[in-house]
Amino acid sequence: QVQLVESGGGLVNPGGSLRLSCIGSGFTFSDYYMTWMRQAPGKGLEWVSYISGTSSNRKYADSVKGRFTISRDNAKRSVYLQMNSLTVEDTALYYCGRSPIGTTDYWGQGTLVTVSS
Amino acid sequence: DVVLTQSPLSLPVTLGQPASISCSSSQSLLYTDGNTYLNWFQQRPGQSPRRLIYKVSIRDSGVPDRFSGSGSGTDFTLKISRVEPEDVGVYYCMQGTHTWTFGQGTKVEIE
Repeated sequence: QVQLVESGGGLVNPGGSLRLSCIGSGFTFSDYYMTWMRQAPGKGLEWVSYISGTSSNRKYADSVKGRFTISRDNAKRSVYLQMNSLTVEDTALYYCGRSPIGTTDYWGQGTLVTVSS
Repeated sequence: DVVLTQSPLSLPVTLGQPASISCSSSQSLLYTDGNTYLNWFQQRPGQSPRRLIYKVSIRDSGVPDRFSGSGSGTDFTLKISRVEPEDVGVYYCMQGTHTWTFGQGTKVEIE
């Protein structure tokens, strides 16, 4: 069955960096776009970024553009989110998702990022 | 960006009664390939979101048939024909036609 497991979250100071990872199993990883989404405490869902199977197409939400970079390693069945210049507004539970066109059909359990001094 | 507006934001329901959530888009969600990428997700308390419906009305495997989706263009609806206790949670619409966006969420609770 499809499984997605995120890791790499933690507590970081404002202005700091963090790299999230997500490993997928139970499907042909390279066939799918992969997506990062987030949910601030007590708030709704926000799409952050996605990347195509070949890494040729990447897109970012305006709120993270220029600060976050998505990448993937199909040999390791992994997708990453490098987050720089973090602010308190980036505090959230970060989910990765498997994304056929126009949707996300499986979500991980999330990894918590807390930006605080 | 496309704005999705859900209503109501809070929905108290009686067990066994129907419920309906509306999602209105600021732009048409019809894509150039002829598909409309409007999705519905359920998020139960303490859990990750789960997709219920994709492309407006296609129910995911394992989703009870009391859930149905409808609509076109800019106006969409999720209906629950008879609310069960396990339906408590927050429901989100999400569009994948343009740069992806989510609605604000609708909290469904039992009266």
